[in-house]
Amino acid sequence: QKEVEQDPGPLSVPEGAIVSLNCTYSNSAFQYFMWYRQYSRKGPELLMYTYSSGNKEDGRFTAQVDKSSKYISLFIRDSQPSDSATYLCAMKGNSGAGSYQLTFGKGTKLSVIP
Amino acid sequence: NAGVTQTPKFQVLKTGQSMTLQCAQDMNHEYMSWYRQDPGMGLRLIHYSVGAGITDQGEVPNGYNVSRSTTEDFPLRLLSAAPSQTSVYFCASSPGTGGFTQYFGPGTRLTVL
Repeated sequence: QKEVEQDPGPLSVPEGAIVSLNCTYSNSAFQYFMWYRQYSRKGPELLMYTYSSGNKEDGRFTAQVDKSSKYISLFIRDSQPSDSATYLCAMKGNSGAGSYQLTFGKGTKLSVIP
Repeated sequence: NAGVTQTPKFQVLKTGQSMTLQCAQDMNHEYMSWYRQDPGMGLRLIHYSVGAGITDQGEVPNGYNVSRSTTEDFPLRLLSAAPSQTSVYFCASSPGTGGFTQYFGPGTRLTVL
């Protein structure tokens, strides 16, 4: 079992919809949780990060972490065609060798249809 | 600032050839890393560095070498290219040593025939 599981999609939604993207993980040492966005043929860019459990909001984006369930989510409100991209979750620990390495999910490809 | 730059953008090699993928950053970041991205596999860490003179292996280091002689540069060397190394390679840098918030380059698309 891979340490981080993410449904690759593709996920297609109409403009204005609420999008929910999710990852599960098995390594209880993960403490930092990140979401990256990757447009086609570009490098990933950091969207949001959270430390440990809880929620974090930034504009139309909300990240949630439930460490008890080993489950993280990214919600996109009022989705726009410009949100069409692949979304990658990433995680890392905060001690030992794991504190220097990000583990990525495979990414979910999202299309927002006008 | 140019951020993270990678050269070349595209490369075709024959099996057994060697080459170096270049990566440079102008943000004075301590942490730099190399990933490969393959369909259905996501991003996988090859090697990383927490500062000049310090490198370590990631998840898939076999067939690759790195060195970090300066803060700015982190080249990735393919010793003897194999078709299994056909991939898109991304270099990234991050302030501090934790690799927490990484800034990625535009990538190098490598094909090994």
